[in-house]
Amino acid sequence: DGGITQSPKYLFRKEGQNVTLSCEQNLNHDAMYWYRQDPGQGLRLIYYSQIVNDFQKGDIAEGYSVSREKKESFPLTVTSAQKNPTAFYLCASSDFGTSGSDEQFFGPGTRLTVL
Amino acid sequence: QKEVEQNSGPLSVPEGAIASLNCTYSDRGSQSFFWYRQYSGKSPELIMFIYSNGDKEDGRFTAQLNKASQYVSLLIRDSQPSDSATYLCAPGGGSQGNLIFGKGTKLSVKP
Repeated sequence: DGGITQSPKYLFRKEGQNVTLSCEQNLNHDAMYWYRQDPGQGLRLIYYSQIVNDFQKGDIAEGYSVSREKKESFPLTVTSAQKNPTAFYLCASSDFGTSGSDEQFFGPGTRLTVL
Repeated sequence: QKEVEQNSGPLSVPEGAIASLNCTYSDRGSQSFFWYRQYSGKSPELIMFIYSNGDKEDGRFTAQLNKASQYVSLLIRDSQPSDSATYLCAPGGGSQGNLIFGKGTKLSVKP
């Protein structure tokens, strides 16, 4: 049963804490992405990775960090430097083919709330 | 800055009517176009994609693409209350294979 899993579903953070959001896929996709969604807003790209041990900043990378040590995994750390982290975080993956853009498949999301 | 514009809505249509969702994009280099549906509190799910100018039909959904006008649309025929969701337009235009998402149009289908 292929897909993308994210954990936890809900996460609460105290101010000043770092937290890590998990994203795992078993679709054998090369590319993985992290997006942030705020109420009534579209998806904003935080980081993306097309290959193991390589990743690129998206539009709103400040205050976030990622790693890509395995093809299946792309965890996102929300650091204390991110001043307004309360949002819905979505992980996605795609089979980055020669056409350049392939459909992205999303995990169920993690809702992060700062207390 | 590459931009994707969608009418935020809400777009309200009666059950059984045709819902028309529109999207314009700024990147002339975009070659692929995706429509995602997002229910409240859930993650987006892909419902249609189109690569060539013209129409593409899949069941009750029709995607229309006009690259010269930088315009893509989604028609939903025989709209159902279960179609009530936010629809995100996403041209593929990122230099690294990224999709660029619009803010979405909220559709409400009234019984």
